[in-house]
Amino acid sequence: QTVVTQEPSLTVSSGGTVTLTCASSTGAVTSGYYPNWFQQKPGQAPRALIYSSTNKHSWTPARFSGSLLGGKAVLTLSDVQPEDEAEYYCLLYYGGAWVFGGGTKLIVL
Amino acid sequence: EVQLVQSGAEVKKPGESLKISCKGSEFSFTTYWIGWVRQMPGKGLEWMGIIYPGDSDTRYSPSFQGQVTISADTSINTAYLQWSTLKASDTAVYYCVRHHSGTYDYWGQGTLITVSS
Repeated sequence: QTVVTQEPSLTVSSGGTVTLTCASSTGAVTSGYYPNWFQQKPGQAPRALIYSSTNKHSWTPARFSGSLLGGKAVLTLSDVQPEDEAEYYCLLYYGGAWVFGGGTKLIVL
Repeated sequence: EVQLVQSGAEVKKPGESLKISCKGSEFSFTTYWIGWVRQMPGKGLEWMGIIYPGDSDTRYSPSFQGQVTISADTSINTAYLQWSTLKASDTAVYYCVRHHSGTYDYWGQGTLITVSS
């Protein structure tokens, strides 16, 4: 059973920078896992932010960026805004099937 | 504007069957994959499976293989998720989502399924 691991929760001050990570139980996350990142606010459908590790959708705010670092997929939020408080999920590809991480609850102070 | 519009909330009893839908518009339905995602109450997202309506190629998560059936009708640009025998543990919100080239971009609004005796 493949497990994708994210930090359960993180806290950041408004205007600060925070890094969320996404790790795979199978080993290092590479571009071949096509990491996707999503934001979900309470009562809403998820919203796509990042795909294929680093690519942004047309609606993704510039303060969100994706990368691969230290064998993990990484989502970095710079100049965090109060409206960024949400749950964040990563999604990885495993040759025919995809697996979500457990999600990171981001709290903005 | 690309849209995925899902069918409405359902309340069912254990043992009943159900088929929910996801209608796509403003894109070529047969050239994109449509996936289904479960979210149980207060829990995270779970990838269930995906279908390519163009040729009905379907993939399932091992966790959902044999538990649900994913299908599509290209004549009406609609994908389906169905259960033959519902359980209380199927209570959740189910989302459909468009997929292509490594990205999941547009999501449906979600369908709440409540299974209770």
